[in-house]
Amino acid sequence: DAKTTQPPSMDCAEGRAANLPCNHSTISGNEYVYWYRQIHSQGPQYIIHGLKNNETNEMASLIITEDRKSSTLILPHATLRDTAVYYCVEGNMLTFGGGTRLMVKP
Amino acid sequence: GAVVSQHPSRVICKSGTSVKIECRSLDFQATTMFWYRQFPKQSLMLMATSNEGSKATYEQGVEKDKFLINHASLTLSTLTVTSAHPEDSSFYICSARRTSGAGTQYFGPGTRLLVL
Repeated sequence: DAKTTQPPSMDCAEGRAANLPCNHSTISGNEYVYWYRQIHSQGPQYIIHGLKNNETNEMASLIITEDRKSSTLILPHATLRDTAVYYCVEGNMLTFGGGTRLMVKP
Repeated sequence: GAVVSQHPSRVICKSGTSVKIECRSLDFQATTMFWYRQFPKQSLMLMATSNEGSKATYEQGVEKDKFLINHASLTLSTLTVTSAHPEDSSFYICSARRTSGAGTQYFGPGTRLLVL
């Protein structure tokens, strides 16, 4: 069974911020949280990862709660090309959950 | 950096034949490689984990004699689907990691297998 839970789908207007939540209540103290996305018929693309502190890179920001039981991936200005399935995965990545299908609409 | 390639990108074969899929880390050495399978509209399912020079560790329910994995070098792992049947038709994706412990996995583009 997947160790992370995410909403199955979300919509976002183009140009607006997309906030994708993830619950990972069973994560171990030294396990990172990784975020990937998968565009149809392609391999997953690495986005960002974090342990305790919030992280930001050229693709997204990652906000991790203080108790580390949940996190939020933020795409600050979503574009149509950000339409994909977004996966939140615990460190060992042995189990992928269903992910969130993000649909960015014009 | 951190590019992983797969070959072929798609393959069609007859039932009963064997198919080999290659996974290469192009710009880094991968101590550990992973093989996943993904059926339509489903998530990725881990099939096996392989460390360079060691035998692969298979997930429960994955037949090791049917899905042969070789990880002979730090940049190449191969998955051979032996005696393929139509139910083996799927999207096979590999990933590679620099270390044997924790670390970012980088995924290949996937190989779509269709068994007729």
